[in-house]
Amino acid sequence: GAVVSQHPSWVICKSGTSVKIECRSLDFQATTMFWYRQFPKQSLMLMATSNEGSKATYEQGVEKDKFLINHASLTLSTLTVTSAHPEDSSFYICSARPPASNSEQFFGPGTRLTVL
Amino acid sequence: AQRVTQPEKLLSVFKGAPVELKCNYSYSGSPELFWYVQYSRQRLQLLLRHISRESIKGFTADLNKGETSFHLKKPFAQEEDSAMYYCALKWAGKLIFGQGTELSVKP
Repeated sequence: GAVVSQHPSWVICKSGTSVKIECRSLDFQATTMFWYRQFPKQSLMLMATSNEGSKATYEQGVEKDKFLINHASLTLSTLTVTSAHPEDSSFYICSARPPASNSEQFFGPGTRLTVL
Repeated sequence: AQRVTQPEKLLSVFKGAPVELKCNYSYSGSPELFWYVQYSRQRLQLLLRHISRESIKGFTADLNKGETSFHLKKPFAQEEDSAMYYCALKWAGKLIFGQGTELSVKP
């Protein structure tokens, strides 16, 4: 099956610093990637849809200047949490979808961000 | 607005008992629905989708448009079924997830 990786798997940073999380599709090209945020034993909240070569589409209430998304290639999307604060601590999950319109999304293992 | 509701946060059953995880949706069009499973410390993975009408690991789900439901069922639960289960609706190319139900199967 299709594999999606995320790096790092966990990160601890100080308040005010920026953190970059990478999402890679390892064995397929992903024209669309998605970024989610998940709280413990709660739902996945879609943050933004990332399309290769164009600007990301953010969901309502998600600050685009705070959560910078770049999808520079068909196998890589990055999420940068800028000027992180403790309330940004969460589990961030990406997913990638191959080009076929009815294809499923494949999920990464997630990145645990802790902001001190 | 499009919404997915899973009314049970936790469902606890004994091994061998039937299990039903509830999912209701609100969507005016023809829905495309999925069940995802997340085992402890593992990534989210697709369990089944309604359009393929398949049975995976003994689980089935039937779309009931009249009741706007897509409940997940298994006649005999196994301990390895313990996990978080998420119902999801595909809309505008995106997935809208329910709140999730934690299934605990006790020996």
